[in-house]
Amino acid sequence: EDKVVQSPLSLVVHEGDTVTLNCSYEVTNFRSLLWYKQEKKAPTFLFMLTSSGIEKKSGRLSSILDKKELFSILNITATQTGDSAIYLCAAQGAQKLVFGQGTRLTINP
Amino acid sequence: DGGITQSPKYLFRKEGQNVTLSCEQNLNHDAMYWYRQDPGQGLRLIYYSQIVNDFQKGDIAEGYSVSREKKESFPLTVTSAQKNPTAFYLCASNKGVRNTEAFFGQGTRLTVV
Repeated sequence: EDKVVQSPLSLVVHEGDTVTLNCSYEVTNFRSLLWYKQEKKAPTFLFMLTSSGIEKKSGRLSSILDKKELFSILNITATQTGDSAIYLCAAQGAQKLVFGQGTRLTINP
Repeated sequence: DGGITQSPKYLFRKEGQNVTLSCEQNLNHDAMYWYRQDPGQGLRLIYYSQIVNDFQKGDIAEGYSVSREKKESFPLTVTSAQKNPTAFYLCASNKGVRNTEAFFGQGTRLTVV
């Protein structure tokens, strides 16, 4: 059965801290790993990763994929209160797009 | 503007009634998906479709039905057989196996009273 597992499920840190969110996956015919940020309603796209070892960066956010270990991480440096959200990881297989349970990140001022 | 439109945003229904949630996209995407999200949780896959007139059950299909008569449209019916239908429902689409990000609608919040 296709599965995506995220950890931790919940994380509370202070503004300025660096956080690492984890995502492991088991998906038939894996094609890509995607990260989304969800604040209120629709998730917004952050990254799509298809190759191992190549870091993708966008400002204070970065992500990397390990296709051998079936694992991805999302790093956020110098966190701000606006980073508070649910972060979702998803794995695209040949047919299905499967999401994890999400990590609820809370940044306290 | 290209995108995905879900309607309605909020929906109230009495227990035992069927209800249909609309999802339309004008992105020319082949694949469409329905997810359910409960408070503080991730997205669970209900149904998905890779091509017109074909769809597959996801992880929690019981009590739901879909159709894909047109490429642009993928409506979800929540039937009376769904034991706990109150939830937030999200529709998404992408180009399927061609490795592109999924785009989401704004969601429908269904409350059954």
